Amino acid sequence: AQSVAQPEDQVNVAEGNPLTVKCTYSVSGNPYLFWYVQYPNRGLQFLLKYITGDNLVKGSYGFEAEFNKSQTSFHLKKPSALVSDSALYFCAVRKGAGGYNKLIFGAGTRLAVHP
Amino acid sequence: GAVVSQHPSWVICKSGTSVKIECRSLDFQATTMFWYRQFPKQSLMLMATSNEGSKATYEQGVEKDKFLINHASLTLSTLTVTSAHPEDSSFYICSARENGLQSAPQHFGDGTRLSIL
Repeated sequence: AQSVAQPEDQVNVAEGNPLTVKCTYSVSGNPYLFWYVQYPNRGLQFLLKYITGDNLVKGSYGFEAEFNKSQTSFHLKKPSALVSDSALYFCAVRKGAGGYNKLIFGAGTRLAVHP
Repeated sequence: GAVVSQHPSWVICKSGTSVKIECRSLDFQATTMFWYRQFPKQSLMLMATSNEGSKATYEQGVEKDKFLINHASLTLSTLTVTSAHPEDSSFYICSARENGLQSAPQHFGDGTRLSIL
């Protein structure tokens, strides 16, 4: 069965410091991996995805993520955090192509960036 | 970029009322749309997959007669919460994927907060 684990409920980081939000997955075959961000009382905004190719993918707002097949991980990173990055972050996996294939979400990680 | 519009954003109504939520893909066509429910401080729970021109596929434990889904066109899916009760109060979010793009992400609406008194 597909699953996604986000081991940290919350990540605290000082503004200007690098941040990492962790994600590991379990899925057979080649996964499609996604990161989304959610602000209070809003839907999810797409940040970036890994489908194939380079393991390091760059996305919106300066975020990037590294796909590591051997560790089945897809950690989200940013070199220098902003207070405005404070939000809820979700990692998600889909089993390959196919419009019907469902997204499986992690439990979410709350990022708090302190001035 | 792909935009999904969800309406209304906030509903407060009395117990027993039926509430309809609309989800529209504004600049792309979507044969498949998804409906989620999110409880406070929790992740998204997939309720059903909405398929244009056919019946929705409901996840285990979701009452299809309670949560009616209609996907009448390639840009519109609706979720109707029938005879809503306080336990149906939640944040409901829809999403859609653009047709023909296998690697496209799902794009989400801004959600509907439903409060049943």
